[in-house]
Amino acid sequence: SAVISQKPSRDICQRGTSLTIQCQVDSQVTMMFWYRQQPGQSLTLIATANQGSEATYESGFVIDKFPISRPNLTFSTLTVSNMSPEDSSIYLCSVEGMPRGANYGYTFGSGTRLTVV
Amino acid sequence: GIQVEQSPPDLILQEGANSTLRCNFSDSVNNLQWFHQNPWGQLINLFYIPSGTKQNGRLSATTVATERYSLLYISSSQTTDSGVYFCAVVGDQGGKLIFGQGTELSVKP
Repeated sequence: SAVISQKPSRDICQRGTSLTIQCQVDSQVTMMFWYRQQPGQSLTLIATANQGSEATYESGFVIDKFPISRPNLTFSTLTVSNMSPEDSSIYLCSVEGMPRGANYGYTFGSGTRLTVV
Repeated sequence: GIQVEQSPPDLILQEGANSTLRCNFSDSVNNLQWFHQNPWGQLINLFYIPSGTKQNGRLSATTVATERYSLLYISSSQTTDSGVYFCAVVGDQGGKLIFGQGTELSVKP
C-alpha cells in the first residue's frame, strides 16, 4: 500500500489565523482526498484533489475556507483559513492504493489534530 | 446515497474476551474496508474486504455482499485493541468512501 507522510501531527492555533497541512505520498497517485473528523464524530470528505485542476469540494465545504493545492502527483496541501474553535478537528489525507495490480482500498495519513483557541 | 450503519456504538470488554462488530450497508458495494482508529487519531487499515472472509492474527472479517453486511471478529482482546472501529464503503457506481459512525471499543485489563 501507499505510504503517506502528513504534517504537522498536531497544532494549537489562534482564532483568525490559518494552518496549512501537508501530505506527501511515496508513489504517484491521480487523486488525493482530504477528510475532517470533528470530535466524537465519523470522517467526512472535504474535497478531492486532482493534479492540474481545481479540487472538487463536497457539499458544505468551500474553497475560500479550505483551499487545496496539488502541484504534482505525490503532494497536496490543505489550508484551514480564518480558523474558529469550530474548526478544531482531526484532518486526514487519503489515497486509493493499487500496489502491483491488487486493490488495497484507501490508505490514510497519520492525521493532523488541530485545536483552535 | 449509500447508508452505512455500525453496531454496537459502544462496547466494553474484559481483556481476553471475544467480540463481533457489525456493519450494514444499504446498497451494493465494490469496496468495503475496516479501520481501527487508535487513541492518537491514526486510522489503520485492517481489512479490504468487499466480499468473502479474511484473517489477520486475532482479527478476522467476513462480508456477505448479497445480504449487505460485514462482520469484524476480535478474539482474545487486548487493551491495545481499544479505540474506534470504522467500516467504510464505496458503492457499486463508484464515488467517495462513505464511513459508518463507528464502534468505540474499550478493553479493560
